[in-house]
Amino acid sequence: EVQLLESGGGLVQPGGSLRLSCAASGFTFSTYVMRWVRQAPGKGPEWVSSISGRGGSTYYADSVKGRFTISRDNSQNTLYLQINSLRDEDTAVYYCAKGGDTAARYFQHWGQGTLVTVSS
Amino acid sequence: QSALTQPASVSGSPGQSITISCTGTSSDVGGYTHVSWYQQHPGKAPKLMIFDVSNRPSGAPNRFSGSKSDNTASLTISGLQTEDEADYYCSSYTSSNTYVFGTGTKVSVL
Repeated sequence: EVQLLESGGGLVQPGGSLRLSCAASGFTFSTYVMRWVRQAPGKGPEWVSSISGRGGSTYYADSVKGRFTISRDNSQNTLYLQINSLRDEDTAVYYCAKGGDTAARYFQHWGQGTLVTVSS
Repeated sequence: QSALTQPASVSGSPGQSITISCTGTSSDVGGYTHVSWYQQHPGKAPKLMIFDVSNRPSGAPNRFSGSKSDNTASLTISGLQTEDEADYYCSSYTSSNTYVFGTGTKVSVL
């Protein structure tokens, strides 16, 4: 059974930083593109970032480019998202997600999410 | 990248059929077959209901179906059930390995 477990969220002041983690199990982690998707309160989901299986290719939404960094540790089956220079509009539940197969361009498996609140 | 356009709300009676539209551009919905649909109940993570325009993953009821024409994708729920009351979001792959989601549709079962 695929399991994705996010952690690292919390309350942070504007301009601050956080590192989110996603522990994966139940599949061969290193063969899957992994993604972060966030959802602000009362809003729809927003794709944030993707990383290839070996970590060599990364992609970002324009809204986070230059402030967020996605990475992965395949030896630990863990996905990360370093978020810097936080803004009020970054307040959201952050989900890690994967597709149904290694070439999938959709989000089949989701974690339970971790809440990031940016406030002074 | 602008969000895909969905109606804010759609309602129907149990047993009826409803259709939710998702309108994008030739750079997303119209340009790729990678349109997917998600159901979300309050406080829960989104759940995949349709992928690649019209494919159902295991676990999604067969009353859910998807289609696409030009820049507009559609999700149809046939034989509406009370448990189908939820928010629904479409999503499309776009150029440069990016993704865009829809504005969301609240489905009410009267």
